[in-house]
Amino acid sequence: GQQVMQIPQYQHVQEGEDFTTYCNSSTTLSNIQWYKQRPGGHPVFLIQLVKSGEVKKQKRLTFQFGEAKKNSSLHITATQTTDVGTYFCADTSGTYKYIFGTGTRLKVLA
Amino acid sequence: EAGVTQFPSHSVIEKGQTVTLRCDPISGHDNLYWYRRVMGKEIKFLLHFVKESKQDESGMPNNRFLAERTGGTYSTLKVQPAELEDSGVYFCASSQRTGKTEAFFGQGTRLTVV
Repeated sequence: GQQVMQIPQYQHVQEGEDFTTYCNSSTTLSNIQWYKQRPGGHPVFLIQLVKSGEVKKQKRLTFQFGEAKKNSSLHITATQTTDVGTYFCADTSGTYKYIFGTGTRLKVLA
Repeated sequence: EAGVTQFPSHSVIEKGQTVTLRCDPISGHDNLYWYRRVMGKEIKFLLHFVKESKQDESGMPNNRFLAERTGGTYSTLKVQPAELEDSGVYFCASSQRTGKTEAFFGQGTRLTVV
């Protein structure tokens, strides 16, 4: 079945360091979404990518969609303690449901 | 505008008991989803409603789980009888357009079966 894998599973960084999580799909994606879940919270939508090779930025966050539309990445520049949480990608391609990736849990050490 | 609301926020029940979770989606959202996150792992899809119809229930673990959405408004998810492995956080989400717009999540119901 359809699988969306994320690496790494966990990442600990010092505050101010950069962070990247990668999302890989076994099938071609028509679009992909990213969500963030704070500890004890619920997933919150960050962004949606649709076009091959698309790059979008939100302040310190940079989202990229692969040229072949089978992978995506989220890069955070100069992490802050407020970036702590689990980041999920979600595939919404051609189906009627959101298939979430395995998630990357980020801890930022002050 | 009110967001997605879930009730209860926490539930602790004994193995073999019944629990019913409720979700009120954002008004006007035809699409309603149930997900489960166990032990901080991935968010697993359970099922999807479009209005009152079950569009996809392929993620339901077994027949101890029953979801309904009467009248296409709020939804309930009943677990009967509950087992230890049913513990986790159950999230409800709603969206306007199927899969093409963002999903809005509720705060979740943390279910603990002891």
